[in-house]
Amino acid sequence: LAKTTQPISMDSYEGQEVNITCSHNNIATNDYITWYQQFPSQGPRFIIQGYKTKVTNEVASLFIPADRKSSTLSLPRVSLSDTAVYYCLVGDIAVGNTGKLIFGQGTTLQVKP
Amino acid sequence: NAGVTQTPKFRVLKTGQSMTLLCAQDMNHEYMYWYRQDPGMGLRLIHYSVGEGTTAKGEVPDGYNVSRLKKQNFLLGLESAAPSQTSVYFCASSYTGAQNTEAFFGQGTRLTVV
Repeated sequence: LAKTTQPISMDSYEGQEVNITCSHNNIATNDYITWYQQFPSQGPRFIIQGYKTKVTNEVASLFIPADRKSSTLSLPRVSLSDTAVYYCLVGDIAVGNTGKLIFGQGTTLQVKP
Repeated sequence: NAGVTQTPKFRVLKTGQSMTLLCAQDMNHEYMYWYRQDPGMGLRLIHYSVGEGTTAKGEVPDGYNVSRLKKQNFLLGLESAAPSQTSVYFCASSYTGAQNTEAFFGQGTRLTVV
């Protein structure tokens, strides 16, 4: 399983774009990159997943360079309600994989008014 | 839409007591997971299951046992609770499809061992 490294914490202000970068130098060919969001006293919630280049949904964008050794979660125009912990996960999601879903420390994002 | 339901939501145990946490999912998912989360920390995988009748150890399995007798249920047991097992426990389930392994989490069980 590829190990991931993220900043422990980040601060931002309402209306700004926030970019959280995750390093995964040992990512394997079959590995996908997935991001989760966790609010206090709740279970994590899936945000976005990608393999290469760029993926966008209604919540965020995920940028993955060609070497795939890092990825950046981009949250456009954050609000106070985006204050949460964000986790980057890397793993093989093909059918028949080991099934492990390993979370790291995550990045605590604090959005200020 | 129930999704993933954990029972109970809160529990206080005395050291040495036993208990079972129940996780139930109604999405027909193959994979199920049990995590613990200590204050200010990330989630740590205790045990997981890739299908009915199967279980496997995660990162921190000691002191816990699990069973997956039915596809929709994943049970986490503490045979002899210790204060170090005070934590919030989360259950999750996921698809196994090649393009999407979005995991769905329950609301958590807050366990205190005194």
